[in-house]
Amino acid sequence: KQEVTQIPAALSVPEGENLVLNCSFTDSAIYNLQWFRQDPGKGLTSLLLIQSSQREQTSGRLNASLDKSSGRSTLYIAASQPGDSATYLCAVKDGGATNKLIFGTGTLLAVQP
Amino acid sequence: DTAVSQTPKYLVTQMGNDKSIKCEQNLGHDTMYWYKQDSKKFLKIMFSYNNKELIINETVPNRFSPKSPDKAHLNLHINSLELGDSAVYFCASSLTDSHGYTFGSGTRLTVV
Repeated sequence: KQEVTQIPAALSVPEGENLVLNCSFTDSAIYNLQWFRQDPGKGLTSLLLIQSSQREQTSGRLNASLDKSSGRSTLYIAASQPGDSATYLCAVKDGGATNKLIFGTGTLLAVQP
Repeated sequence: DTAVSQTPKYLVTQMGNDKSIKCEQNLGHDTMYWYKQDSKKFLKIMFSYNNKELIINETVPNRFSPKSPDKAHLNLHINSLELGDSAVYFCASSLTDSHGYTFGSGTRLTVV
């Protein structure tokens, strides 16, 4: 059974710092991995999608990597801003017959001005 | 031009009532999903429909009944609501295995 874990559960950094969020999954048979952000009381915004054959994806100040064999992904945020404060969720699309998207527990990020 | 839209955004109701949440996507995706986000913010899949056919039913109580009249719509009907049903319910859609998911903005259900 696929399980997705995110570390740390919460992170507070001063503005301008570079930071890394971690995601690990137990079954490497995945179709893809997707990073989302969720603002308080809001829906999920997709940030980056990495296919199982890819190693990384970049969008602006965000860079996500995927090491499928070790069951790990990282989300790197460069030059953090207060507007980056949100919960970041990692999710893997299971490679089984049902192709479920299985979520991690999330990292609550606070960027202090 | 919202991609995945859910209604209502908020729903407050008494125990024992029956309620429905509607979801529509205009992305041309062929698979739609319902997810539940509990008080600890953990998101868990409930149902998945592909071209109106039920694909996933994650041991959800049969008080919950999804209905997909066409591949652009997936509604969720809940009978005999209980306090523990209070949560945020998210609808989502995707196109193929290699595509990502697009989520709606959620419906916050409060059962009193």
